Amino acid sequence: LAKTTQPISMDSYEGQEVNITCSHNNIATNDYITWYQQFPSQGPRFIIQGYKTKVTNEVASLFIPADRKSSTLSLPRVSLSDTAVYYCLVGDKRDNYGQNFVFGPGTRLSVLP
Amino acid sequence: GAVVSQHPSRVICKSGTSVKIECRSLDFQATTMFWYRQFPKQSLMLMATSNEGSKATYEQGVEKDKFLINHASLTLSTLTVTSAHPEDSSFYICSARLAGENNEQFFGPGTRLTVL
Repeated sequence: LAKTTQPISMDSYEGQEVNITCSHNNIATNDYITWYQQFPSQGPRFIIQGYKTKVTNEVASLFIPADRKSSTLSLPRVSLSDTAVYYCLVGDKRDNYGQNFVFGPGTRLSVLP
Repeated sequence: GAVVSQHPSRVICKSGTSVKIECRSLDFQATTMFWYRQFPKQSLMLMATSNEGSKATYEQGVEKDKFLINHASLTLSTLTVTSAHPEDSSFYICSARLAGENNEQFFGPGTRLTVL
């Protein structure tokens, strides 16, 4: 089971691009990388998932280098409402027992005006 | 995306009582549901995995007799906190997973349990 390491916290200002990097040195061949966002007193919300190279959707981009030992979540032009905890998870999409969803401490992003 | 609901969203109870929390997948069938617990300023901790029609699998350190899980249908799983104590006060979150290759998890909104 791959362990992930992320910065505990980050500060940014409105309108800036924020990049949060996650290290997962022991990632396995079948593992995917998934990022979730969580606001206080709410369940986590799926942001983006990828396996290699770059994935982009309407809210974020995910950059994964060739060795896949790290990944970077990129949030373009953050706003105050992006203040949340961001979790990086690594696991096998085919896992049937939920063991892929082991949450690390996450990164607490604070967006300042 | 698929929607998962939890009921109740908040519950306050006296010490020694039992509390049942429901987790429903509203627009899809979930063969597997997961229960997490989250204490303030901490991350989510997986408590148990619930498979429809079979006994739940509990994580190490989670008492199965205290946290009763029932997954009676493909859209409903329940977590009952028996004989609750103040230390059980926490945010309980469930998630449900679609079966198959692309088995993304969808999380419920959580239930805030306060035991007095």
